Amino acid sequence: DAGVIQSPRHEVTEMGQEVTLRCKPISGHDYLFWYRQTMMRGLELLIYFNNNVPIDDSGMPEDRFSAKMPNASFSTLKIQPSEPRDSAVYFCASSFALAGGPHEQFFGPGTRLTVL
Amino acid sequence: AQSVAQPEDQVNVAEGNPLTVKCTYSVSGNPYLFWYVQYPNRGLQFLLKYITGDNLVKGSYGFEAEFNKSQTSFHLKKPSALVSDSALYFCAVRDINQAGTALIFGKGTTLSVSS
Repeated sequence: DAGVIQSPRHEVTEMGQEVTLRCKPISGHDYLFWYRQTMMRGLELLIYFNNNVPIDDSGMPEDRFSAKMPNASFSTLKIQPSEPRDSAVYFCASSFALAGGPHEQFFGPGTRLTVL
Repeated sequence: AQSVAQPEDQVNVAEGNPLTVKCTYSVSGNPYLFWYVQYPNRGLQFLLKYITGDNLVKGSYGFEAEFNKSQTSFHLKKPSALVSDSALYFCAVRDINQAGTALIFGKGTTLSVSS
């Protein structure tokens, strides 16, 4: 397996533009997670899905952020409109289930987003 | 509520010396515990985990961690540090009795190994 795949790896956009980040989880994994990492706030869990259903989106910073998982092999994180404070590295991770919950998570390489 | 603490923002050690990166946790039930490493401009990589059984867990790159239930700790250790071990290390926990909850990650500890 190729691991968790994220695209694009780098994105530079201007304030107000829509940004879409993409993730392909490891085949067979039941859980998918979106994280954001910044120097100031560290690693933050934004949202996670179980069997394509959003379970907890309490980490999504505001309504400008939305995430979807239309099928088991694809998820998107969208920011509309983007703001400079959204600049961060966004990670996607996937996990198989064990004992009723997610287990060891496998992380993608991340998307470095810069909003000018 | 689940939580995990990494009390040190940074750990400095000389190459060849033993290293310890500390982690303590709080869960209401029994924990699943994990260590991850992040090299610059990379995603997090799994190092090792504790589920059950032997309290001393061995993982990748010569790292090991000891689960101590009475002290609610899961410190990461390595007998002899390498310069290439310099990275950001994350401890994570999940309460196995909290079905469906995500891993809780610590804020990370930067390990710096000098030559």
